[in-house]
Amino acid sequence: GAVVSQHPSWVICKSGTSVKIECRSLDFQATTMFWYRQFPKQSLMLMATSNEGSKATYEQGVEKDKFLINHASLTLSTLTVTSAHPEDSSFYICSAWTDYNEQFFGPGTRLTVL
Amino acid sequence: AQKITQTQPGMFVQEKEAVTLDCTYDTSDQSYGLFWYKQPSSGEMIFLIYQGSYDEQNATEGRYSLNFQKARKSANLVISASQLGDSAMYFCAMREGPGSNYQLIWGAGTKLIIKP
Repeated sequence: GAVVSQHPSWVICKSGTSVKIECRSLDFQATTMFWYRQFPKQSLMLMATSNEGSKATYEQGVEKDKFLINHASLTLSTLTVTSAHPEDSSFYICSAWTDYNEQFFGPGTRLTVL
Repeated sequence: AQKITQTQPGMFVQEKEAVTLDCTYDTSDQSYGLFWYKQPSSGEMIFLIYQGSYDEQNATEGRYSLNFQKARKSANLVISASQLGDSAMYFCAMREGPGSNYQLIWGAGTKLIIKP
């Protein structure tokens, strides 16, 4: 099946630093990718829709300047958490549709901000 | 109002028994899709099964089947002959019709624990 990769798998950073998370579709082209955030024992919360070649569409309540999304190619979208703080610690997951009926997810990135 | 409702926060089931995970949905669209995903403790989201609103047959994928009752707006996941490896969180999700930008609406999830 289709594969979506994420890098890094986990990251620990100091408060105030920025962290970049990459999401790649390995064997298909993804014009649209999604970024989710998941807190422990909770469901996925959609943060933004990433569109290749255009600006991302952010969900209500998600800070655009805090969570920078760049979808530079049909196989790569990046999420940069700028000036990270402990409250940004979470599990971040990206996903992409292969066709109308299949959405595949990356393995997730666990971010811990000290 | 909740668009996807999973009423079972957690379930314990004996190994080899069948399991039914409940999911009800709410939409006014005629065209929509229903999905089930499994999330083990590793965190990855694993696609299990899909049911389109116009599909007349219930979807099946190996030990997974989706009991689709359109009039009741329910899309329960049935796992036959449960295995220890089935222990995980299970999420029901819905994609509404054109204009939804392919976003998925998620349920709160059900934590399934299979007992040996």
